[in-house]
Amino acid sequence: QQKVQQSPESLIVPEGGMASLNCTFSDRNSQYFWWYRQHSGEGPKALMSIFSNGDKKEGRFTAHLNKASLHVSLHIKDSQPSDSALYFCAVSMSNYNVLYFGSGTKLTVEP
Amino acid sequence: NAGVIQTPRHKVTGKGQEATLWCEPISGHSAVFWYRQTIVQGLEFLTYFRNQAPIDDSGMPKERFSAQMPNQSHSTLKIQSTQPQDSAVYLCASSLEGTGNERLFFGHGTKLSVL
Repeated sequence: QQKVQQSPESLIVPEGGMASLNCTFSDRNSQYFWWYRQHSGEGPKALMSIFSNGDKKEGRFTAHLNKASLHVSLHIKDSQPSDSALYFCAVSMSNYNVLYFGSGTKLTVEP
Repeated sequence: NAGVIQTPRHKVTGKGQEATLWCEPISGHSAVFWYRQTIVQGLEFLTYFRNQAPIDDSGMPKERFSAQMPNQSHSTLKIQSTQPQDSAVYLCASSLEGTGNERLFFGHGTKLSVL
């Protein structure tokens, strides 16, 4: 079964700073990679996906994927207090395959 | 679009009692997923349905847990003889076709507390 591990467990960054979140996965056949964000009291919401090696940028968020090193990361530029949340990495091996989640990184952005 | 609706938001049961959790997926979505969230384990996959058929229940504890999808507008997760270790937030999600390149839409979850 796919193992997804995230680091760090928690992260504190100042407002306007850069937050970097890391994720490793265990299965080299993995194809689809997602980042989800969960604010307190809500369900997780999809932030962005990345399916090819390299970088993908969406506004202040940049995802990076390196399948050979089994690694995906998320970088948040100009962090805002509203970015404070639990961030999950999620990995799927193929179409019609389950999306497995990591244990999450708790991000706190301090004003 | 009301999103994925889960009821109840909170459920408290005594040890040994039964708990039934309800999920209404987004209209038109054919895939429904159940996950369990705890601080220690994070988000654990339990089971999923596509077009009401069970596809993968590899994450379901074999005893006491069961899930059904009797029609396209709702799914239930039933836990028999609840135990304190079942305390968690149970999350339901739906997606259009259940493919890996689609985002999941989650409900707010049902927080189950077993006393």
